Amino acid sequence: EDKVVQSPLSLVVHEGDTVTLNCSYEVTNFRSLLWYKQEKKAPTFLFMLTSSGIEKKSGRLSSILDKKELSSILNITATQTGDSAIYLCAVAPFQGAQKLVFGQGTRLTINP
Amino acid sequence: DGGITQSPKYLFRKEGQNVTLSCEQNLNHDAMYWYRQDPGQGLRLIYYSQIVNDFQKGDIAEGYSVSREKKESFPLTVTSAQKNPTAFYLCASSIVTGAGYNEQFFGPGTRLTVL
Repeated sequence: EDKVVQSPLSLVVHEGDTVTLNCSYEVTNFRSLLWYKQEKKAPTFLFMLTSSGIEKKSGRLSSILDKKELSSILNITATQTGDSAIYLCAVAPFQGAQKLVFGQGTRLTINP
Repeated sequence: DGGITQSPKYLFRKEGQNVTLSCEQNLNHDAMYWYRQDPGQGLRLIYYSQIVNDFQKGDIAEGYSVSREKKESFPLTVTSAQKNPTAFYLCASSIVTGAGYNEQFFGPGTRLTVL
């Protein structure tokens, strides 16, 4: 059974701190790994990673995939209160269908 | 504006009633999906459809039904057979292209509460 596990499940830090969120997976025929941010309602897309070792970056957020370790990390530097959200990791197995398997999510709280 | 709309935002249902959640997209996406989100469990796939008049069960399809009569619309019915329907329901859509993967875009969700 395909499985995605995120850690930690919950994290509270102060504004300005740097955080690292983890995602590990066990899927047959890995295709891509995706990160989403969910503030209140609709998850919004952050990154899609397909190749190992190549960092994707957007402002203060960055992510990298390690196919050997079957994992990915999401880094947020100089955190702001607006970064408070649930961060979801999902993996797309290569099954011919555009399905995603989601992890439980990490709830990140940034205190001023 | 292109996007995905879901209605209603909040829905209250008595036990034993069927309810239908609406999902519409004007992104011209071929594929549409329904997920359920419970606290601490992430998103779980209920049903998905890659083409009109065709759909497949996801991981937790029992007690739910769908239809895909139009490309733009993918309504979800929560039947009385669903034992624990109180949850947040998210609809998503994506394009479908060959062997590559394309990200899913999500609607704002419907919060269903069974009284």
